[in-house]
Amino acid sequence: DTAVSQTPKYLVTQMGNDKSIKCEQNLGHDTMYWYKQDSKKFLKIMFSYNNKELIINETVPNRFSPKSPDKAHLNLHINSLELGDSAVYFCASSQDGWNTEAFFGQGTRLTVV
Amino acid sequence: AQSVAQPEDQVKVAEGNPLTVKCTYSVSGNPYLFWYVQYPNRGLQFLLKYITGDNLVKGSYGFEAEFNKSQTSFHLKKPSALVSDSALYFCAVRSGAGSYQLTFGKGTKLSVIP
Repeated sequence: DTAVSQTPKYLVTQMGNDKSIKCEQNLGHDTMYWYKQDSKKFLKIMFSYNNKELIINETVPNRFSPKSPDKAHLNLHINSLELGDSAVYFCASSQDGWNTEAFFGQGTRLTVV
Repeated sequence: AQSVAQPEDQVKVAEGNPLTVKCTYSVSGNPYLFWYVQYPNRGLQFLLKYITGDNLVKGSYGFEAEFNKSQTSFHLKKPSALVSDSALYFCAVRSGAGSYQLTFGKGTKLSVIP
């Protein structure tokens, strides 16, 4: 069973479109995250939710909106996609949130054309 | 603010030789330190962590790391490298209790040469 699963794995879309990436974890963790990995492989946190409550909201465009319908899911919705949004987006989860390791999904490669 | 530095973009080592991937950190309070590995087109996989206790921590696939508080370092090591260890390695840090933010270094590409 996949611990943290993201869909889709690949997403190619045109500028200006709206798209969503879904994430589910079956580990019973309390905290979930979205990270962005750019073309240079640099990982930057975007959002974090703990028990469905937003606890980290880094400086990202407000075109990006996370939604956590329950503790096991954290979806990422992106409005008005731009070329610069092209990246790999990783979902992750952890228990407690601070002294345990995070488990990552396989990533969603978003390409905006 | 917390930060992580991985001073080497790339490390090359011959198969069978020992390897070291360097990491230094900066946090206020006690650090929680992690190493992850990323294979091509894959997500990050957890290798090991330092929370408290023994400064030498052992992890998956024969890797270990040494926490050095005075030098604020957490270098990743392996006594004998395998070709299959070739991947991108990330060091990460959280500051003390109550911090949810995991900050990553920029990554070090490890190449093990047959």
